[in-house]
Amino acid sequence: DTGVSQDPRHKITKRGQNVTFRCDPISEHNRLYWYRQTLGQGPEFLTYFQNEAQLEKSRLLSDRFSAERPKGSFSTLEIQRTEQGDSAMYLCASSLATGGPDTQYFGPGTRLTVL
Amino acid sequence: AQSVTQPDIHITVSEGASLELRCNYSYGATPYLFWYVQSPGQGLQLLLKYFSGDTLVQGIKGFEAEFKRSQSSFNLRKPSVHWSDAAEYFCAVGAGYGGATNKLIFGTGTLLAVQP
Repeated sequence: DTGVSQDPRHKITKRGQNVTFRCDPISEHNRLYWYRQTLGQGPEFLTYFQNEAQLEKSRLLSDRFSAERPKGSFSTLEIQRTEQGDSAMYLCASSLATGGPDTQYFGPGTRLTVL
Repeated sequence: AQSVTQPDIHITVSEGASLELRCNYSYGATPYLFWYVQSPGQGLQLLLKYFSGDTLVQGIKGFEAEFKRSQSSFNLRKPSVHWSDAAEYFCAVGAGYGGATNKLIFGTGTLLAVQP
């Protein structure tokens, strides 16, 4: 049973560039979550999908951020016109939601540095 | 508003000593509670969770946590700490509706150092 995988693990970009991250969830999981973690803080919720539907977006997710899960499997998170404040660890998690509380399993994260 | 407080930013314990990490939550409905551990530069690993039932829950690596509704707490404990337990520990509450956890709200974490 493979866990959640994320690619790339590290990304360095210049301010103003666009970046895209990929997340592959645990295969049978129907929910996929994105979080952002800055230094010294706990992860903060960005958005989540149930299958291919994006059901909730945080106010943290500005117009420069977009996430997709086109076939209900992997997901991408794109940041346009990156800013230095976007530097953070971006974490993906997945879960199997069956009507009750679900348990989220996290990937290793993508560390973004904006110069 | 929903929130999680971890009062201790940094804790140092000696190897073999007992450990208790504090977590307090604020949540209007039945809380679903989690502890995760994060090693440097890594993702989060689930240690244990509480959904309902027995308020003392056992997790991996010898950790346990006790849910106390009257104190709005979910403290993590381990009777004897190993050097490999050095990491950052996060408490989280599952927020959602209809009995589902649509997102996790995390505390700011407690960084654990272990002295030989």
